[in-house]
Amino acid sequence: AQSVTQPDIHITVSEGASLELRCNYSYGATPYLFWYVQSPGQGLQLLLKYFSGDTLVQGIKGFEAEFKRSQSSFNLRKPSVHWSDAAEYFCAVVPLGGDDKIIFGKGTRLHILP
Amino acid sequence: KAGVTQTPRYLIKTRGQQVTLSCSPISGHRSVSWYQQTPGQGLQFLFEYFSETQRNKGNFPGRFSGRQFSNSRSEMNVSTLELGDSALYLCASSFTSGRSNEQFFGPGTRLTVL
Repeated sequence: AQSVTQPDIHITVSEGASLELRCNYSYGATPYLFWYVQSPGQGLQLLLKYFSGDTLVQGIKGFEAEFKRSQSSFNLRKPSVHWSDAAEYFCAVVPLGGDDKIIFGKGTRLHILP
Repeated sequence: KAGVTQTPRYLIKTRGQQVTLSCSPISGHRSVSWYQQTPGQGLQFLFEYFSETQRNKGNFPGRFSGRQFSNSRSEMNVSTLELGDSALYLCASSFTSGRSNEQFFGPGTRLTVL
């Protein structure tokens, strides 16, 4: 079945440490790929997106993501996290050749240790 | 430029009642999408309106409906409320319709059904 998987429900990292959040999708063709962040009590904010081209995508707030076709993955990374990065992160896809509906992963909640 | 606004922010209803939620998109945006967010099901797409027409619809029962006005403001209505309808309802606007357009999210309306 077509799906978006974020294997980690919770991740805890120390402030200043590097971060990688995982996202895998199962679609025949490479879909459009997105990462969103949701801070407590807020709506979602787009961090970055991938449609085609360079597989390393730069986003806002110092985040980047790498698309790996062979692994059907689109992992989000940040070299050094800040306490303000504590939030929930959602990977999302829009399958190609479909009806343009966006499908979200279940989310990964990021906790930051001081 | 003002962001996406949603009213009310919080709402408490009882089973069997109906509710109407409102969303005002960013000025100039013509597409409005609605999402339901629950701890169990995550973020699920409800429907999208573009130029007063429903362009896309998720897998929700007919109790969930929406509309868009000529000024692009949108409302969604849920009739005959059930306990399971308790959720955060998010609205997102974009300049136009289509999978590649960035969506800007509002803070959501927290609906509690008792």
